[in-house]
Amino acid sequence: DAKTTQPTSMDCAEGRAANLPCNHSTISGNEYVYWYRQIHSQGPQYIIHGLKNNETNEMASLIITEDRKSSTLILPHATLRDTAVYYCIVRKGAAGNKLTFGGGTRVLVKP
Amino acid sequence: GAGVSQSPSNKVTEKGKDVELRCDPISGHTALYWYRQSLGQGLEFLIYFQGNSAPDKSGLPSDRFSAERTGGSVSTLTIQRTQQEDSAVYLCASSFLDRLPSGNTIYFGEGSWLTVV
Repeated sequence: DAKTTQPTSMDCAEGRAANLPCNHSTISGNEYVYWYRQIHSQGPQYIIHGLKNNETNEMASLIITEDRKSSTLILPHATLRDTAVYYCIVRKGAAGNKLTFGGGTRVLVKP
Repeated sequence: GAGVSQSPSNKVTEKGKDVELRCDPISGHTALYWYRQSLGQGLEFLIYFQGNSAPDKSGLPSDRFSAERTGGSVSTLTIQRTQQEDSAVYLCASSFLDRLPSGNTIYFGEGSWLTVV
């Protein structure tokens, strides 16, 4: 699976949008972009995924650049409970491929 | 159940003892994964069961680690002759195997915390 590059950490203000960048310049055509987060002492939580179109669900929005070499996860109104490590992962779309986790971005939401 | 269920949630064992960790995947999920995460470290892939095919054991760190999946559902991860470096949280995850990419998202359990003393 293609590697991803994320900032090590970032802070954001409660109630503001949090924009989390991810670079995946070696992504191939059949690889999806997945985002997970891990709140302290809990298992990773699925957030969203996409192939090339922008995606939105009740948790977040995913913006993928046209060349698919980077993406941004947007938490529209960050809350203190969004403090977590956020992982951007690229994974082949064929059924059954595992997730390979990198270091992620440690997001701290401040009041 | 509604989510991936793991047991025990916490286990303290003496060095040299064997331990078994159990995972109940989401109902209907035919793919099952084991990961581990040592304190302050990232998630490390261990093993993957894909339906009736041979499992991908490429992440198992030593021959003291083994896993089985009975009846295509419940899985047990066994660690023999535990060492202190085996202390970690062991995470199980599951997904559908035979659906479109949009349908085979992987979901994780809350993990089994293992402490070897």
